[in-house]
Amino acid sequence: DAGITQSPRHKVTETGTPVTLRCHQTENHRYMYWYRQDPGHGLRLIHYSYGVKDTDKGEVSDGYSVSRSKTEDFLLTLESATSSQTSVYFCAVGTVLNTGELFFGEGSRLTVL
Amino acid sequence: GESVGLHLPTLSVQEGDNSIINCAYSNSASDYFIWYKQESGKGPQFIIDIRSNMDKRQGQRVTVLLNKTVKHLSLQIAATQPGDSAVYFCAEITQRTGNQFYFGTGTSLTVIP
Repeated sequence: DAGITQSPRHKVTETGTPVTLRCHQTENHRYMYWYRQDPGHGLRLIHYSYGVKDTDKGEVSDGYSVSRSKTEDFLLTLESATSSQTSVYFCAVGTVLNTGELFFGEGSRLTVL
Repeated sequence: GESVGLHLPTLSVQEGDNSIINCAYSNSASDYFIWYKQESGKGPQFIIDIRSNMDKRQGQRVTVLLNKTVKHLSLQIAATQPGDSAVYFCAEITQRTGNQFYFGTGTSLTVIP
């Protein structure tokens, strides 16, 4: 258990509304990531952070923004949710650059109607 | 873009038998590979990793084999148990992508009691 908490775990919202998902960690990991998981696509990286206020885009970053004002919190925001953003979102954390030992949260299931 | 794929989407094995899950990758510059296990309703969990300067690595009941000539990766699970039923993902990372991990779509392993 890497002390990762995602909230909310489930959310249903309407197209055009803003949504913020929160990832909270207690282990002081430097790197934090947001992935989305969809059938047939596996896990795809949205954004990641390598320190407070240091973030970078992943392969599917369009329509998403992130913020990291504290080491322990990494927020993913959908400014105007679309149905294509219906997915399961996973937060992950890691400590050492270029190693695979990412610890994943339990996921947040988002449905955009 | 990167291509990390699995040969078979599903695999069923008898309890006690050995399981082999395969993965192909396209980027010959990939230098680090990881296997993750994801149980239903949970986030992925790290199983084992291997660097490109190795061709085999063993863990507890698991072995990863890397064949760089044909760009193929496999995960072998010895004496498969019901608790091994899950989706297994391979992932790769290259120096040029920094901390971005590319995940395959996964193989669903079912263990028959």
